Amino acid sequence: SQTIHQWPATLVQPVGSPLSLECTVEGTSNPNLYWYRQAAGRGLQLLFYSVGIGQISSEVPQNLSASRPQDRQFILSSKKLLLSDSGFYLCAWSEQTNQPQHFGDGTRLSIL
Amino acid sequence: ELKVEQNPLFLSMQEGKNYTIYCNYSTTSDRLYWYRQDPGKSLESLFVLLSNGAVKQEGRLMASLDTKARLSTLHITAAVHDLSATYFCAVGRGSSNTGKLIFGQGTTLQVKP
Repeated sequence: SQTIHQWPATLVQPVGSPLSLECTVEGTSNPNLYWYRQAAGRGLQLLFYSVGIGQISSEVPQNLSASRPQDRQFILSSKKLLLSDSGFYLCAWSEQTNQPQHFGDGTRLSIL
Repeated sequence: ELKVEQNPLFLSMQEGKNYTIYCNYSTTSDRLYWYRQDPGKSLESLFVLLSNGAVKQEGRLMASLDTKARLSTLHITAAVHDLSATYFCAVGRGSSNTGKLIFGQGTTLQVKP
């Protein structure tokens, strides 16, 4: 069966520091991968998605970036965090069909 | 631009009562999903609706899709406390190959004993 791992679970970072969140999927090949951000009490905002290695599409302009160095690995990064980057970050995967997206446990990021 | 709106955004109900959550979307789509999120947790997939008139049921929850009206409903029958959570609908945008979804704002359901 397929599993998705996301870490760390919580992170507290100072403004201006770098960021690296990692997500890996097991048990499937060539999945679609997604990064979302959820502000407190709000819906999900799609940040990036990837349909293959090295293929990244950005949905919103921001100081975040994403990379997919391996088929089942998706990384969310920033060189300098802003206060507005605080939130709950969720990684998800799906097959390239109409099947639903499956979410990781999320990373709660607090910027001080 | 695809927009997805849910209502109500907050729902407080007594155990044993029935209620419906509505999800409207602004442009044509061929796929709609319902998710559940418990406080502080991730999202869990509930239903996948892929055609006009599709109806799916799981326990006390039933979801339906009317693509002509661009409307999906999530009906709760005889609510129990365990159903307390936030429910999101998500509508497919663009090609199904990318799997991109636009989420509604979420409906927070509170079931009181």
